[in-house]
Amino acid sequence: DAGVIQSPRHEVTEMGQEVTLRCKPISGHDYLFWYRQTMMRGLELLIYFNNNVPIDDSGMPEDRFSAKMPNASFSTLKIQPSEPRDSAVYFCASSLPGGVSGANVLTFGAGSRLTVL
Amino acid sequence: KQEVTQIPAALSVPEGENLVLNCSFTDSAIYNLQWFRQDPGKGLTSLLLIQSSQREQTSGRLNASLDKSSGRSTLYIAASQPGDSATYLCAVSGGNYQLIWGAGTKLIIKP
Repeated sequence: DAGVIQSPRHEVTEMGQEVTLRCKPISGHDYLFWYRQTMMRGLELLIYFNNNVPIDDSGMPEDRFSAKMPNASFSTLKIQPSEPRDSAVYFCASSLPGGVSGANVLTFGAGSRLTVL
Repeated sequence: KQEVTQIPAALSVPEGENLVLNCSFTDSAIYNLQWFRQDPGKGLTSLLLIQSSQREQTSGRLNASLDKSSGRSTLYIAASQPGDSATYLCAVSGGNYQLIWGAGTKLIIKP
């Protein structure tokens, strides 16, 4: 398996533009997570899916952010309109279920570095 | 509210030394604790996961310990190598797939 695949790896856009980040999880993993990493705030969980269904989106910062998982092999994170404070590295991760303890070994993608000018 | 702290923020040691990275958390009601490694420009790689009922986990030159009562975990790296240079993050889970992350320790191993 090629691991978790994210695209684009780098995105530079201007304020107000729409940004779409993409993720292909590992085949067979039924949990998918979107994280954001910044120097100021560290790693933040934005949203996670189980079997393509959003389970917890409480970390999504604003209505400008939306995420979808139309099938088991693809997810998108969209920002519309983008703002300079959205500049960060966005990671996608997938995992198998961890049971009642919630323990799950995450496999991360390489990340999408977003710069909003 | 759970808070996770990692000290020091950065550490530089000569190759070959044994070293310890620290992680502390404020709420002992955790399900598990994980240690991750992050290389520059790359994603995170899971190193070790310790369940709340366990005291330690080992993988190769890495040993992670957990003391829930004191809210502490350590990651011990034996015989450090330049390839160990990376940022190491710990994260605790309260059982709802929400991981609370430390800010990480940036480790540099000097040849």
